[in-house]
Amino acid sequence: SQQGEEDPQALSIQEGENATMNCSYKTSINNLQWYRQNSGRGLVHLILIRSNEREKHSGRLRVTLDTSKKSSSLLITASRAADTASYFCATAPGAGGTSYGKLTFGQGTILTVHP
Amino acid sequence: DAGITQSPRHKVTETGTPVTLRCHQTENHRYMYWYRQDPGHGLRLIHYSYGVKDTDKGEVSDGYSVSRSKTEDFLLTLESATSSQTSVYFCAISDYGGGKNIQYFGAGTRLSVL
Repeated sequence: SQQGEEDPQALSIQEGENATMNCSYKTSINNLQWYRQNSGRGLVHLILIRSNEREKHSGRLRVTLDTSKKSSSLLITASRAADTASYFCATAPGAGGTSYGKLTFGQGTILTVHP
Repeated sequence: DAGITQSPRHKVTETGTPVTLRCHQTENHRYMYWYRQDPGHGLRLIHYSYGVKDTDKGEVSDGYSVSRSKTEDFLLTLESATSSQTSVYFCAISDYGGGKNIQYFGAGTRLSVL
């Protein structure tokens, strides 16, 4: 079963605009992460937010986490054509046993930024 | 993709043949994972390893086996390939236990089963 559900499935914007992607999950988490995948490549880690954090920034990325709603959002500001990629959220399970570092990935949002 | 090498990068095989995919890391990470990626399903965990000779099943393990005889190598075997196993396979490693639980991915293997 998929822990993370993302929306929208696809997003098309112009360069310079902001892009917002959302992720919802079902069970308690230790942290939530966002990854990026360029076409034909492996996933690359972007940012991690812990369950006791509400907002985190990294360059043009802003992530929010609302554990009461079991949701997160990724905002990319001032987007560039090079931001065109698929973006995935991934959750690490909350307390209770050893997780062995396993993550559960959402289905991803395909972002296209037009020059 | 630095530090993680998947081989082969592309493979075409016939139904019923065994196939082995290799993941090699130079990061000395203890934890390694095999995923498959299919349209509409995102990444799904097949098997994972938490040490040499220590492996366990993931979400979609039927028809797959793994082995890890050395820290640096994690092999995924399709015992008798089926068309439903046509997919892109990714290996990942993790620094879990080192405090961050971030996964690092290889470039993937595109497998076609005819």
